[in-house]
Amino acid sequence: KNQVEQSPQSLIILEGKNCTLQCNYTVSPFSNLRWYKQDTGRGPVSLTIMTFSENTKSNGRYTATLDADTKQSSLHITASQLSDSASYICVVSPNNAGNMLTFGGGTRLMVKP
Amino acid sequence: GAGVSQTPSNKVTEKGKYVELRCDPISGHTALYWYRQSLGQGPEFLIYFQGTGAADDSGLPNDRFFAVRPEGSVSTLKIQRTERGDSAVYLCASSLSSTGGVLYNEQFFGPGTRLTVL
Repeated sequence: KNQVEQSPQSLIILEGKNCTLQCNYTVSPFSNLRWYKQDTGRGPVSLTIMTFSENTKSNGRYTATLDADTKQSSLHITASQLSDSASYICVVSPNNAGNMLTFGGGTRLMVKP
Repeated sequence: GAGVSQTPSNKVTEKGKYVELRCDPISGHTALYWYRQSLGQGPEFLIYFQGTGAADDSGLPNDRFFAVRPEGSVSTLKIQRTERGDSAVYLCASSLSSTGGVLYNEQFFGPGTRLTVL
């Protein structure tokens, strides 16, 4: 069964600190991996999309890495801000069809002042 | 508006009742997806449309759930004889297409409808 596992489930950090969120997947074949940010009460918003040939992608203070050999991805947040408090969801697709996305359970990040 | 909109934002109903949830996709997006998200979990796929037709409804949990998209734009998710276990946030997303490459099928999500079945 295709699965996406994220860790930690929740994380509390102080404003200004860095953090790294992990995503392990068993989805096969693999086409692309996305990280979404979901604020409370809102829909997910895409942060990065990486295909199997890419091993890093940045979006401002967010940097995603991908190791397609070990089937692992990470999302690194630099100089965290209070507005980074949200759930971060890793999503893996086996192909280019949008209906085959497998979502992780998310990491709930809280940034405290 | 420029984004995906969903109405209502909150719906409280009683067990056994019928509910309809509406999704307005981004203009020009041909693919539309419905997901269900339980508290603390990632979204779970329900059904997706390419144009007016349901291209994949394998995620619908049972025959109490049905969705339509008669004109290829707005979609309605219908739930009959609601049960307490149906309580969740129902998310809708749209994309330019469901195929054609990563950028074409990037999904943009609406804010969701929080359904509570008492």
